[in-house]
Amino acid sequence: QVQLQESGPGLVKPSQTLSLTCFVSGGSISSATRYWVWLRQPAGKGLEWIGRIYTSGDTNYNPSLESRVTVSLDTSKNQFSLKLNSVTAADTAVYYCARGFPYSGSYRDALDIWGQGTAVIVSS
Amino acid sequence: DIQMAQSPSSLSASVGDRVTITCRASRTINNYLNWYQQKPGQAPRLLIYGVYSLQSGVPSRFSGSASGTDFTLTITTLQAEDVATYYCQQSYSIPQTFGGGTKVEIK
Repeated sequence: QVQLQESGPGLVKPSQTLSLTCFVSGGSISSATRYWVWLRQPAGKGLEWIGRIYTSGDTNYNPSLESRVTVSLDTSKNQFSLKLNSVTAADTAVYYCARGFPYSGSYRDALDIWGQGTAVIVSS
Repeated sequence: DIQMAQSPSSLSASVGDRVTITCRASRTINNYLNWYQQKPGQAPRLLIYGVYSLQSGVPSRFSGSASGTDFTLTITTLQAEDVATYYCQQSYSIPQTFGGGTKVEIK
């Protein structure tokens, strides 16, 4: 079955770029109609949707982060990535990658497979 | 952004009780409403999508319903393993947004 695994540095300095990768195993990242999604969760708080990339390469971003975020797809490595520029302490969180499947004949989706999450601390 | 007001923020119930969690959307989301369960230290798990559809492998004691912009997750017979925080999510518009969560504990 498909599994997702996040990787990347656990500590990032303020003003630098946070870079995370999500490796997809057990299936091809480009074989089906799926979204590949990034979310985050500050400690003790709720979930925030960051953005997603479709198998076609089309992207959607949270407007609150859009000026700083890029999600990309690397089909040759079966992985997708998140880059978040100019980070501050407010970006400290557990970051999750997830797979979205569209339903009801629309492009609206639900997140059926999640990575275990990776904690990122922004601190000097 | 569409706001998802989830209530209660926490509840305590006995094993075997019926538990209800509600979510109110700030505007129409055309039933693009999903529910997730998150246990401590774990990633969220999809329980229900599209208001009513039970994700594969999820016990049938979980169910969802809707009335306009009000959505409900019901656990018909609470089990000890249901201790978790539950989140609703709207996927109707970008950015997708989540409710604040409901922490369910055993009395």
